[in-house]
Amino acid sequence: DTEVTQTPKHLVMGMTNKKSLKCEQHMGHRAMYWYKQKAKKPPELMFVYSYEKLSINESVPSRFSPECPNSSLLNLHLHALQPEDSALYLCASSQDWKGARGYTFGSGTRLTVV
Amino acid sequence: QKEVEQNSGPLSVPEGAIASLNCTYSDRGSQSFFWYRQYSGKSPELIMFIYSNGDKEDGRFTAQLNKASQYVSLLIRDSQPSDSATYLCAVTLYGNKLVFGAGTILRVKS
Repeated sequence: DTEVTQTPKHLVMGMTNKKSLKCEQHMGHRAMYWYKQKAKKPPELMFVYSYEKLSINESVPSRFSPECPNSSLLNLHLHALQPEDSALYLCASSQDWKGARGYTFGSGTRLTVV
Repeated sequence: QKEVEQNSGPLSVPEGAIASLNCTYSDRGSQSFFWYRQYSGKSPELIMFIYSNGDKEDGRFTAQLNKASQYVSLLIRDSQPSDSATYLCAVTLYGNKLVFGAGTILRVKS
């Protein structure tokens, strides 16, 4: 299995809703990442988990809350989002925190906040 | 200065030509360099990585790295219309952060 699986593929939520994005990999990778990508922009790093511990938070607002329940799963909990948070949310994984052989990306969740 | 810089393009080349994509980076201590391809509406796909100065070839793709000049490039030989995409240069900065350039749009005309 060489894939990173993200669910759901599309999500529409209201500004008062609570929702979660899920990411799963079975490659034995020990580092996992959340990126946010706006239209016609490059992916921007949000969070890094290494060995199931949060190692980097790129000053992301608290309405985004990551969680790593085990080495294969990564969640992103969403609450009280704003319309400007609408974007493609990408999960990625790498063998270790150095990512020396690159990151494998999931297909993303396209989020629309209304 | 941006951490990773690319010309946004679009770069237009005829089918069968060589496409040359360039990237510069700011962290002199960077060790790992990557090229990703991203089709519209899809996620980035890793096509090449390079660690050492010089050239690395994989099929029609050649990555070139010059650490002294803090410069990395990607050559695509025999360009095909299916190569039309955005090419993202990515660099591992400060040991553990993969940071992307803005991407170069490549258009291969048949």
